Amino acid sequence: SAVISQKPSRDICQRGTSLTIQCQVDSQVTMMFWYRQQPGQSLTLIATANQGSEATYESGFVIDKFPISRPNLTFSTLTVSNMSPEDSSIYLCSVKEGNAYSNQPQHFGDGTRLSIL
Amino acid sequence: ILNVEQSPQSLHVQEGDSTNFTCSFPSSNFYALHWYRWETAKSPEALFVMTLNGDEKKKGRISATLNTKEGYSYLYIKGSQPEDSATYLCAFYGSSNTGKLIFGQGTTLQVKP
Repeated sequence: SAVISQKPSRDICQRGTSLTIQCQVDSQVTMMFWYRQQPGQSLTLIATANQGSEATYESGFVIDKFPISRPNLTFSTLTVSNMSPEDSSIYLCSVKEGNAYSNQPQHFGDGTRLSIL
Repeated sequence: ILNVEQSPQSLHVQEGDSTNFTCSFPSSNFYALHWYRWETAKSPEALFVMTLNGDEKKKGRISATLNTKEGYSYLYIKGSQPEDSATYLCAFYGSSNTGKLIFGQGTTLQVKP
């Protein structure tokens, strides 16, 4: 199964700043996703990162706030822009081998634990 | 809006106890149900991918059942050990979801030695 390296593992940031999270996979994968888990909440999909084109965002998430890059099939970044305390969360990247309908589980990075002061 | 619910939210058991938790999901447009274990400071780890009504899957002391007609899955842990302490997440995969998982809030299990 794919091995995912996500960094940073944690950060404490000031209100109004931006942070970019990196996700590196050890093999080429078509499907890559970014999730957020706010305290006490479920894992929520932010967007699907599409190689070579704009990410597909879920309802409630916009590109200006969470710009995503996916320059190739092994790497993606998520930026959390103009941060506020409500952005304090765990951010996870995940990948799925195969296509959208293959019965494969998703594999996750270790997550980025982000706190905004 | 698709709703995936897990109960209980948290559970404390003694080492050696057997336990189980529930995941409820929409019974329409079902494609698959995933279970993950998420230990503190680690990444979520896939336990099971279940697709057929009546499916039962087992991995060591952990097993799961699936009822797609009524929209629920049970996860069982037999003889809980301290290393089983984690948050257990289920995720619904619908036939119209195009690859997206809808997660429940998780059940956090604490096993006391």
